Amino acid sequence: GAGVSQSPSNKVTEKGKDVELRCDPISGHTALYWYRQSLGQGLEFLIYFQGNSAPDKSGLPSDRFSAERTGGSVSTLTIQRTQQEDSAVYLCASGKETQYFGPGTRLLVL
Amino acid sequence: AQSVTQPDIHITVSEGASLELRCNYSYGATPYLFWYVQSPGQGLQLLLKYFSGDTLVQGIKGFEAEFKRSQSSFNLRKPSVHWSDAAEYFCAVGSFFQKLVFGTGTRLLVSP
Repeated sequence: GAGVSQSPSNKVTEKGKDVELRCDPISGHTALYWYRQSLGQGLEFLIYFQGNSAPDKSGLPSDRFSAERTGGSVSTLTIQRTQQEDSAVYLCASGKETQYFGPGTRLLVL
Repeated sequence: AQSVTQPDIHITVSEGASLELRCNYSYGATPYLFWYVQSPGQGLQLLLKYFSGDTLVQGIKGFEAEFKRSQSSFNLRKPSVHWSDAAEYFCAVGSFFQKLVFGTGTRLLVSP
């Protein structure tokens, strides 16, 4: 079946602009995770959604980052007032005991 | 605190030679352990996983890993490396419906 999909594949933006990154999880997966992969920090957990429970936001680096999950399926990660240090690959994963990753969105903030 | 250590940043192996990538973890509860592979510009692909039971687990592409609780290790092995195995390999630890904690990765180079 279809895997996790993410859009856009690449995003170039100017410092100070807002960006939205989208994740479509594997159908039927109630758990959805966002991670960030950057040169200096490796792979970092950002946020986790599980069903109707309150999301685990413990990994969000600042209040400029937020995420929502509509209808228990698609998720959007929003970064407001982007900074150059936000440049990274943003990875989405879904799954229960095993997490399956999407191809990522490569964000470059100029 | 939960952590994963991959002590080798880079490893170069000759094509056809055997491979072992090291992974040590620290986790308070019974860990779920994973190895993922990432090719340049790609996402993470699951190679194999360990939850419980037999400590030697088989994965895709001819990879296997052995869980050693006494050593807190989950090393990845392959008996004969192919040029297409060149990639970055990540070890991760987690639990059911929990975030994954990743190691810093090991970049595998395969020489002819």
